[in-house]
Amino acid sequence: AQSVAQPEDQVNVAEGNPLTVKCTYSVSGNPYLFWYVQYPNRGLQFLLKYITGDNLVKGSYGFEAEFNKSQTSFHLKKPSALVSDSALYFCAARMDTGRRALTFGSGTRLQVQP
Amino acid sequence: GAGVSQSPSNKVTEKGKDVELRCDPISGHTALYWYRQSLGQGLEFLIYFQGNSAPDKSGLPSDRFSAERTGGSVSTLTIQRTQQEDSAVYLCASSSNTGASYNSPLHFGNGTRLTVT
Repeated sequence: AQSVAQPEDQVNVAEGNPLTVKCTYSVSGNPYLFWYVQYPNRGLQFLLKYITGDNLVKGSYGFEAEFNKSQTSFHLKKPSALVSDSALYFCAARMDTGRRALTFGSGTRLQVQP
Repeated sequence: GAGVSQSPSNKVTEKGKDVELRCDPISGHTALYWYRQSLGQGLEFLIYFQGNSAPDKSGLPSDRFSAERTGGSVSTLTIQRTQQEDSAVYLCASSSNTGASYNSPLHFGNGTRLTVT
């Protein structure tokens, strides 16, 4: 079975500071990993994905994510947070074979203070 | 171009009534997913359609839930005899099936907020 864990319900960071939103996964086979963002009263928007290759993936809005196979982690990062980054962030995973449905984490609310 | 469209955006129903939720995927997307998002929870997979293949229904929580996808496009999620625990936001997503479809990102609609009183 595949599972995704986001250990922090909320992350608070000051504007201009770097941010990290944590994600660990458990899938058999090679993982495909994704980050999505959800703004209030909106659907989820795709941020970035990891398939294979470089362990540092760059995505939309200046976000990037670091894949670490030994730690089975895929943490979302941004060098300098903006107030407008405040939203709900979801990590998701699926295996490279078999079930195609994405398994999502429980979400982390990012609050960036001015 | 147009994104994934869901209707209604809000639905309030009485316990025991049936409801139908509609999803219009992005044109040309062959994969369609339904997820449920409860307050304070992550996204719970419900059902997945891919082309003409048999749908993956493994996430449906009970036999009161069913879904159809007509003509490979529009999908309807039906909940019979609604219960209060069915209250949630129901999200639909679609993705393309070109190349390695396992890595195609999902495009989500804005969801239908269902409240069962």
